[in-house]
Parts: sequence; structure tokens; C-alpha cells
Amino acid sequence: QKEVEQNSGPLSVPEGAIASLNCTYSDRVSQSFFWYRQYSGKSPELIMSIYSNGDKEDGRFTAQLNKASQYVSLLIRDSQPSDSATYLCAVSRPPGYALNFGKGTSLLVTP
Amino acid sequence: KAGVTQTPRYLIKTRGQQVTLSCSPISGHRSVSWYQQTPGQGLQFLFEYFSETQRNKGNFPGRFSGRQFSNSRSEMNVSTLELGDSALYLCASSGGGLNEQFFGPGTRLTVL
Repeated sequence: QKEVEQNSGPLSVPEGAIASLNCTYSDRVSQSFFWYRQYSGKSPELIMSIYSNGDKEDGRFTAQLNKASQYVSLLIRDSQPSDSATYLCAVSRPPGYALNFGKGTSLLVTP
Repeated sequence: KAGVTQTPRYLIKTRGQQVTLSCSPISGHRSVSWYQQTPGQGLQFLFEYFSETQRNKGNFPGRFSGRQFSNSRSEMNVSTLELGDSALYLCASSGGGLNEQFFGPGTRLTVL
């Protein structure tokens, strides 16, 4: 059975700092990796996707993937209080397979 | 482009009743997936439909069923509701080969 593991947090960082969120997965056949942000009472919002080893940057967000170590991370630079949310890591096999979600890491950015 | 829409947004039912939830995907998306989110279990996959065919199914009892129409709109049905079915039900649509899934606002189901 799939496992996607995340530290539940809360992870507290001061405004302007870098927030580092980590995720490990057990299914070696996984091909696609995603980070979703979920505000309280809202649905998940896709913020990053990554498919090959290395780094992928989009604005203040950087996703990092290491398939050999079965590890994916999300860095948020210049963290803002509006980044306070739960961040969900999701992993999937080829299209048509389910997204397997971790239980999320709660991030709190303090002014 | 309009996003994924789900109706109704909130629903209150009693045990033993059945419920039907609706999802309209992003225009042009042919894949619709359904998830159940609870505080204890997180996001759990129910099933996925592509071109009116169920392509994948999660580990939920047969009380949970779904279908997809020719316009890609999807419905899910839960029969004989139990208290434990209280959850946020999320629909996600996908249109490309990379399996990026975009979620609707969800339907909050409360079973009394």
C-alpha cells in the first residue's frame, strides 16, 4: 500500500524566512509529484508539480525531487503570513492513477 | 476558464438516507476524480472517471458509487449513509497527460 509521509507540524517560521516542507513516499513507481496548499475551510490548491529529479522554481516556491531517496520537498522563500496554511504532498503513478496524499504539514508564518 | 464546480456545497442528511453529489470539471477536462477528506484520515481517493468509464477505484465500500456523463460532468452517490460518512467530498478534474488535478470547492456532508 502506498505511503506518503509528512511531518504534521505545526511548522512555525517568522515572516521573511524560508519555510522548508518535506515529504517521503514509498511507491518507487511514482512518476508525478505535487504540492497543494489548503487554507482552513477551503479545498486544496495546486501550487507546484515536479516530474524529474532536481529543482523546479516558480516565484517564491521551489520544489525539489530526489527519486533515489524517494523524497520531495517544498521551499517557500520570503514567507508571508498569507502562506499560513496546510501543505499537502501528493504522489501518483501515470495518469489514471489516484493522487496519494500525505496528511499535510501545517505552516504558520508569524509577523 | 471556469474552475471545477460542485453542488451542493453543504448537505445535511440522516443515517440511512442516500445522497448524490455533482461535479462539473474544467472545460475540456475528461478525467474526474473524487476524494473524501476527514480530519483523521486526510484525503482518500474514491474513484476516477475518464470518458464515462471508471478507470480506478479506491478502497471504499460499494455504498459509494459514481458515474460520468458524455459532457464529462460526474456524480457520486452514497447510499445508506452512516455517521462516518460525514466529510468534505472533493472532486478534481484533470485534462493533460501529467495528471495535474484541480479541485472544486467541495461538498460538506454532515450525517446526523
